[in-house]
Amino acid sequence: DAGVIQSPRHEVTEMGQEVTLRCKPISGHNSLFWYRQTMMRGLELLIYFNNNVPIDDSGMPEDRFSAKMPNASFSTLKIQPSEPRDSAVYFCASAPLAGGLPYVEQYFGPGTRLTVT
Amino acid sequence: GDSVTQMEGPVTLSEEAFLTINCTYTATGYPSLFWYVQYPGEGLQLLLKATKADDKGSNKGFEATYRKETTSFHLEKGSVQVSDSAVYFCALKDQGAQKLVFGQGTRLTINP
Repeated sequence: DAGVIQSPRHEVTEMGQEVTLRCKPISGHNSLFWYRQTMMRGLELLIYFNNNVPIDDSGMPEDRFSAKMPNASFSTLKIQPSEPRDSAVYFCASAPLAGGLPYVEQYFGPGTRLTVT
Repeated sequence: GDSVTQMEGPVTLSEEAFLTINCTYTATGYPSLFWYVQYPGEGLQLLLKATKADDKGSNKGFEATYRKETTSFHLEKGSVQVSDSAVYFCALKDQGAQKLVFGQGTRLTINP
């Protein structure tokens, strides 16, 4: 299995630009999580999906952030407009739901390092 | 709410030293407990887990025992290697929940 795939691995953009981060979960996994990691705040859960449906987006910092999962094999996290304080590493993780019961382990992608200047 | 508190880092040890990274938790139910490891430039990987009290998780020479009476899940390794240098995260997941609650991470550096 290829694992969770994220793209791009690195993104440098200017303040005010739109940024789109992409994630392909492990095939067969039906839960998907987006995290943000910074030195100051550590690892924060932004949003998660079950079967392509957003379940909890209480961690999304503000309306500039949005996430979609149009199908079981693809999700995006969009920031519009971006700001320097959005600079962080963004991780996607996936997990299986077995018979509707929560998983035990999440599998993380390699992350996207975002720098907003 | 649920929370995880880890030993503050950074931690620097010499090769072959004994390692302990403390982790305590607060949870309302009966959580599963995890240690994840993040090597430089990579995502988090599950290192070990324990799903009920008194369970011991182990992997790659690392061990941690789920202690309900002290609400702890300390990570130990008898003899560390340079390749163990990484950031270690303790985490919990409440029974029936999907969210992982992470500690702040502990950066470990092993010198040859």
